[in-house]
Amino acid sequence: EVQLVQSGGGLVQPGGSLRLSCVASGFTFRTSAMSWVRQAPGKGLEWVSTITGRGTGTYYADSVRGRFTVSRDNSKTTLFVEINSLRTEDTAIYYCAKSGSDEDGFDIWGQGTMVTVSS
Amino acid sequence: QPVLTQSSSASASLGSSVKLTCTLSSGHSTYTIAWHQQKSGKAPQFLLQLEDSGRYHLGTGVPNRFSGSSSGSDRHLTISNVQSEDEADYYCEAWDSNIHVFGGGTKVTVL
Repeated sequence: EVQLVQSGGGLVQPGGSLRLSCVASGFTFRTSAMSWVRQAPGKGLEWVSTITGRGTGTYYADSVRGRFTVSRDNSKTTLFVEINSLRTEDTAIYYCAKSGSDEDGFDIWGQGTMVTVSS
Repeated sequence: QPVLTQSSSASASLGSSVKLTCTLSSGHSTYTIAWHQQKSGKAPQFLLQLEDSGRYHLGTGVPNRFSGSSSGSDRHLTISNVQSEDEADYYCEAWDSNIHVFGGGTKVTVL
């Protein structure tokens, strides 16, 4: 079964840091671009970041560039995002998502993990 | 990057059909898009990928009540024989050079 299982998240103070993880199974991880997408409470989906299958290319939304770092460990079929300098507007459910290949749309989603930034 | 425009809401009676539209911005009419369904409190789920030709590819396990079609810059998702479980938010997605964009979503209510 193709699956993405997420962990991490929680309540963090403004200015804090957090790392989210997404463990993949059931498909050839190293050939699939992987992404993070977030959804603020009551809002729509917002693309955050993408990393290519080999990890050689990383891409970020303007709203997170310089604060978020996406990475992957293909030997452990795991995707990560390191989030620094957290702001209240980063409060959202964060989803990992798989693409069919590099430069393709999303075809599998993780279950999501909530990040709340509040003092 | 393309901008995707969706109507905010739609409704359909049980057993009827409903057609949702996602419009690509000027200069992006040839883009392939994807449609995703998100039920309340759940993660999104991929429904289908739709080319400018109108050819579409359903995701694994997606009922064939869901179909896609294209007309110029418009990408349509049609739900036939609407069921109560189809009540959800529907998002279209496009991508270019590993940058992804979403439409604002259409909330479908089943009457």
